[in-house]
Amino acid sequence: EAGVTQFPSHSVIEKGQTVTLRCDPISGHDNLYWYRRVMGKEIKFLLHFVKESKQDESGMPNNRFLAERTGGTYSTLKVQPAELEDSGVYFCASSRLTSGRGIGDGEQFFGPGTRLTVL
Amino acid sequence: AQKITQTQPGMFVQEKEAVTLDCTYDTSDPSYGLFWYKQPSSGEMIFLIYQGSYDQQNATEGRYSLNFQKARKSANLVISASQLGDSAMYFCAMRDNQGGSEKLVFGKGTKLTVNP
Repeated sequence: EAGVTQFPSHSVIEKGQTVTLRCDPISGHDNLYWYRRVMGKEIKFLLHFVKESKQDESGMPNNRFLAERTGGTYSTLKVQPAELEDSGVYFCASSRLTSGRGIGDGEQFFGPGTRLTVL
Repeated sequence: AQKITQTQPGMFVQEKEAVTLDCTYDTSDPSYGLFWYKQPSSGEMIFLIYQGSYDQQNATEGRYSLNFQKARKSANLVISASQLGDSAMYFCAMRDNQGGSEKLVFGKGTKLTVNP
């Protein structure tokens, strides 16, 4: 079974430019999460999709960030225009819908992350 | 709000020895889940172990065990017989069910270095 994949692995852009990150979850996982780790700080939740619907976007920092998950498969996270403080590692994670029955239900599988550097 | 605290920015251990990575948490929810993830230099986040708040016994997975002390709100990770490949960042996390998202709340992480 293929894991969560993210593209690109690295991106270096200038302030004011636009960048689009992509996440392909594990097949059959309806939950898709985006997280971000700014250098030296905690990994922070950004938003959560259930299939194609946004379940929780309370972690999105501002309206320069736009996430989509058309068709409930892969997801994109666009930053427009990018600012210096957007630099960090963006992680995507996916999981099955929780059945509430056992350990590991709802376990989130993470992708390798996209390292974004805004100059 | 839920919070995870990892007070050890870095830890060193000799190969084949055991090491404990500290994690304390804060939540008002009676039901919660605690996770540990490993992040090697390659960058991926690897799930290690899970502890549910109502689990009667401490979780174990191979060389990993979780020292769960509910009254102290601590969920320390114990790695036995350390190996060079255990050198990595380790993150403690809690599942936050607010908003129906079951998102994870992470600590800042501990960088573990295993010396030969």
